[in-house]
Amino acid sequence: QVQLVESGGGLVKPGGSLRLSCAASGFIFSDFYMAWIRQAPGKGLEWISYITPTSSHTNYADSVEGRFTISRDNGKNSFYLQMNSLRGEDTAVYYCARVDVTRASFDYWGQGILVSVSS
Amino acid sequence: QSALTQPASVSGSPGQSITISCTGSSSDVGTYDLVSWYQQSPGKAPKLMIFEVNKRPSGVSNRFSGSKSANTASLTISGLQAEDESDYYCCSYAGSDNWVFGGGTKVTVL
Repeated sequence: QVQLVESGGGLVKPGGSLRLSCAASGFIFSDFYMAWIRQAPGKGLEWISYITPTSSHTNYADSVEGRFTISRDNGKNSFYLQMNSLRGEDTAVYYCARVDVTRASFDYWGQGILVSVSS
Repeated sequence: QSALTQPASVSGSPGQSITISCTGSSSDVGTYDLVSWYQQSPGKAPKLMIFEVNKRPSGVSNRFSGSKSANTASLTISGLQAEDESDYYCCSYAGSDNWVFGGGTKVTVL
């Protein structure tokens, strides 16, 4: 079955960096778009980035553009989110998700990982 | 993009039907028939319930249905059950490889 597992979260100081990983299994990873979505404490969901199967194209929400970078390694069935210049408002649970691109929906999600930005 | 607008909470008694609205704009909901809905229980990951406005993934109960009119999408839960008590989020494709979510609606079964 499809499984997505995030890792790499934790506590970081403002201005610091963190790299999240998402390990995928149960499907042909190299065939799918993938995305990161976050949820601040007590708040709603926010799409923040996606990447195409061959990494030919990526896109970011305005709130993270220029600070976050999405990438993937199809040989490792994994994709990543490099987060730089972190701010307090980046504190959230970060979910990795598989994108059904023809239906523009997120059909499988990881369990989420907490990133806390605080001094 | 601005977040889609959902009511903060909706409640109903077991067996009743409830409807959650999701209002966007002509840049997202109004232009694309690519609205999806997600159910999230406390401490859990979201689960896809509806895609392309009104289609259900395999395994999702037919008590869940979706619709859209102009800039507003809706999710209806028929025959409300205790297990339906969760947060629900709408999401729309917004063009140029962007997606926008709603703020979420807490459904309470009385």
